[in-house]
Amino acid sequence: SAVISQKPSRDICQRGTSLTIQCQVDSQVTMMFWYRQQPGQSLTLIATANQGSEATYESGFVIDKFPISRPNLTFSTLTVSNMSPEDSSIYLCSVEETDGAQYFGPGTRLLVL
Amino acid sequence: AQSVTQPDIHITVSEGASLELRCNYSYGATPYLFWYVQSPGQGLQLLLKYFSGDTLVQGIKGFEAEFKRSQSSFNLRKPSVHWSDAAEYFCAVVTSGTYKYIFGTGTRLKVLA
Repeated sequence: SAVISQKPSRDICQRGTSLTIQCQVDSQVTMMFWYRQQPGQSLTLIATANQGSEATYESGFVIDKFPISRPNLTFSTLTVSNMSPEDSSIYLCSVEETDGAQYFGPGTRLLVL
Repeated sequence: AQSVTQPDIHITVSEGASLELRCNYSYGATPYLFWYVQSPGQGLQLLLKYFSGDTLVQGIKGFEAEFKRSQSSFNLRKPSVHWSDAAEYFCAVVTSGTYKYIFGTGTRLKVLA
């Protein structure tokens, strides 16, 4: 399966600031996804990032809060904007491979003070 | 609407004992089914997947799962648990023809020495 890396692995941020999370894949993939995992919770899909088009956001997530870029088939970024403590979560990117399964990066652990 | 239920929030077993983690889904047709494991501080690792065919699926790390259409279940099993299996386990379902994963709430496994 593809090797997926994320930067940063963790961060502590002040409220009102923004953080950009990077997701890098070692092979070209069509479908990339961003998830949020709030403390002690399951995963919730934020958006789907396809190269060459705007991201598709799930209900409850908006582009102004979570802008996403997908400049090529191996890279994507998710920005968490104007952060509040409620944004403290693990943010994970994933890719869909040819076997039909999604494979996940190691996650970015964000704490907002 | 589709849903995934993992009835057991926490399970504790002794090392060497057998394990079964339950997963039930709600969907009219046969979905694609997955089990993932998340070790502390890690991302999600795919254990196994079911798309069609043989209803008993073998995965990595000695895990297997059985799809039972009549019970809408996809339970994960391991005959002998190792201390390194302590982690959180997530069942996921995706509708055939889409990419949207729906995750269960997870089962946290504790292994006693």
